[in-house]
Amino acid sequence: EVQLLDSGGGLVQPGGSLRLSCAASGFTFSSFAMTWVRQAPGKGLEWVSAISAGGHNTYLVDSVKGRFTISRDNSKNTLYLQMNSLRAEDTAVYYCAKEGVVVGAEGFDYWGQGTLVTVSS
Amino acid sequence: QPVLTQPPSASASLGASVTLTCTLSSGYSNYKVDWYQQRPGKGPRFVMRVGTGGIVGSKGDGIPDRFSVLGSGLNRYLTIDNIQEEDESDYHCGADHGSGSNFVYVFGGGTKVTVL
Repeated sequence: EVQLLDSGGGLVQPGGSLRLSCAASGFTFSSFAMTWVRQAPGKGLEWVSAISAGGHNTYLVDSVKGRFTISRDNSKNTLYLQMNSLRAEDTAVYYCAKEGVVVGAEGFDYWGQGTLVTVSS
Repeated sequence: QPVLTQPPSASASLGASVTLTCTLSSGYSNYKVDWYQQRPGKGPRFVMRVGTGGIVGSKGDGIPDRFSVLGSGLNRYLTIDNIQEEDESDYHCGADHGSGSNFVYVFGGGTKVTVL
């Protein structure tokens, strides 16, 4: 059974940092691209970042470029999102999701339960 | 990049059918769209991908046969037949665009489905 367990969210002041983690199991993690999607309170979904299966190619939405970094450790079956210089508008539930073999090729077929990030003073 | 437009709400009586529409912006008629279901308080769940030829690939795990898709022109449709109480959810469509450093994935605003 595919499982994705998001963690690392919390309350952080504007300008602060957080690192989200997503522990994966039930599939060959190193063979699939992965993605982060967020959802602000009461709003729709917003794609944030993606990473190729091997970790060599990464992609970010313009609003987080220069502030967020996606990475993965295939030996630990874990996906990360390092978030720096956080802003109030980054407040959201962050979901990790499994992709197909290639980024964007097949949609996001499994999702984590989400972790809440609140940026506030 | 494409813009995906969804009506904010839809409703259907228990056991009836409802069709949800995701409309791509002009010039993107060959794009495939992914449908996701999000039950209240839960994370999204993949339903299926649709192109102009219909379903692309397989349905998501546990998606019932009463869910089906069609694609025509700029529109991508998700139909729920014999709608059940557990189908009351937000439904989001999304599409990938570009490659390399220009890659993005865009979502529509979502449609809230109410079962009457």
